[in-house]
Amino acid sequence: ETGVTQTPRHLVMGMTNKKSLKCEQHLGHNAMYWYKQSAKKPLELMFVYNFKEQTENNSVPSRFSPECPNSSHLFLHLHTLQPEDSALYLCASSQDQTHSRSSYEQYFGPGTRLTVT
Amino acid sequence: DQQVKQNSPSLSVQEGRISILNCDYTNSMFDYFLWYKKYPAEGPTFLISISSIKDKNEDGRFTVFLNKSAKHLSLHIVPSQPGDSAVYFCAASDSGNTPLVFGKGTRLSVIA
Repeated sequence: ETGVTQTPRHLVMGMTNKKSLKCEQHLGHNAMYWYKQSAKKPLELMFVYNFKEQTENNSVPSRFSPECPNSSHLFLHLHTLQPEDSALYLCASSQDQTHSRSSYEQYFGPGTRLTVT
Repeated sequence: DQQVKQNSPSLSVQEGRISILNCDYTNSMFDYFLWYKKYPAEGPTFLISISSIKDKNEDGRFTVFLNKSAKHLSLHIVPSQPGDSAVYFCAASDSGNTPLVFGKGTRLSVIA
């Protein structure tokens, strides 16, 4: 138990569906992240929020839309996805995104296994 | 272009022996390195880290070595235990100027 929860754990959706992934952290952290993990590829950073402000958008297609209403919650809204978007989506948090070493140690949730049909 | 490379996708080691996982990086600005461990159906968990001002950091059975001139780091696990079987990710940062950059991971299997 890392203090970061993600729901749902598994999601199957059609290409025309709209769904949302939810992440919640109970660690008092101020930075939250979305990553995509595809088979045989490195973890790909998608978005970073620091103190609720988006600080990174790693050239992610607009069919992925993040939302961070507060420092404890992070959403990833999905619409008109493609089969190649099927992957494990991981949420992580860290103390903040400063030069403090503690900001480098990210705590990950268990992930949402997404399948797009 | 991958800035953090883990060239061995998998590694098999006998229980009780040493496991050595390797990681190479290309960005000379990286100054902090971390290892994460991931079990199936769980997210990665932080294992151990090292700053570029050191060449070794030890925590129990886990030791990370850093060779800055070779842009290479390694994680040693000794003695290896079956519970160490997992995927290990190497990650690097340049003083927080950019987010962590991860390698593809190495799957370690410790055989009893």
